[in-house]
Amino acid sequence: EVQLVESGGGLVQPGGSLRLSCAASGFTFSSYWMSWVRQAPGKGLEWVANIKQDGSEKYYVDSVKGRFTISRDNAKNSLYLQMNSLRAEDTAVYYCARFFGAANVDYWGQGTLVTVSS
Amino acid sequence: QSALTQPASVSGSPGQSITISCTGTSSDVGGYNYVSWYQQHPGKAPKLMIYEVSNRPSGVSNRFSGSKSGNTASLTISGLQAEDEADYYCSSYTSSSTPYYVFGTGTKVTVL
Repeated sequence: EVQLVESGGGLVQPGGSLRLSCAASGFTFSSYWMSWVRQAPGKGLEWVANIKQDGSEKYYVDSVKGRFTISRDNAKNSLYLQMNSLRAEDTAVYYCARFFGAANVDYWGQGTLVTVSS
Repeated sequence: QSALTQPASVSGSPGQSITISCTGTSSDVGGYNYVSWYQQHPGKAPKLMIYEVSNRPSGVSNRFSGSKSGNTASLTISGLQAEDEADYYCSSYTSSSTPYYVFGTGTKVTVL
């Protein structure tokens, strides 16, 4: 059974940092593009970042470029999102997601809430 | 990159059919057959309902169907059921900006 389990969310002050983790199981992690998707409270979904199977390609939404870094450790079946210089507008549930085919997410984690507030 | 445009809400009675539109541009919806649809119930993670415009993943009811014409994709739910009440989001590959994917604004489906 495919499982994606996020951790690392919490309350952080503006300007602070947080590192999200996603533990993957039930599939060959190294064979899939992975992604982080976020959803602000009461708002829609937003792609945050994607990473290729071997980590050689990474893409970010403009609003997080230079502040967030997506990475993966295929030996540990884990996906990460390092978030620095956090802003109030980064407050959201962050989902770890597995890409299927060229442009579809077939598995999602349960999400982890990040709250940026003083 | 602006979000794809969806109606804020659509409603229908049980048994009826409804259609949700998703309008983009030639750089996304109109340029590629990489449109997918997700269903999201409150407090839950999204679920893939349609991929690559019109394909249903295993386990998704055949009451859900997808199509595309020009820059607009559509999701049709036939034989509407109470459990279909949820938020629906389209998504598309886009060539205009990273991370090369964009979601729609979301549509709240209400079963009357």
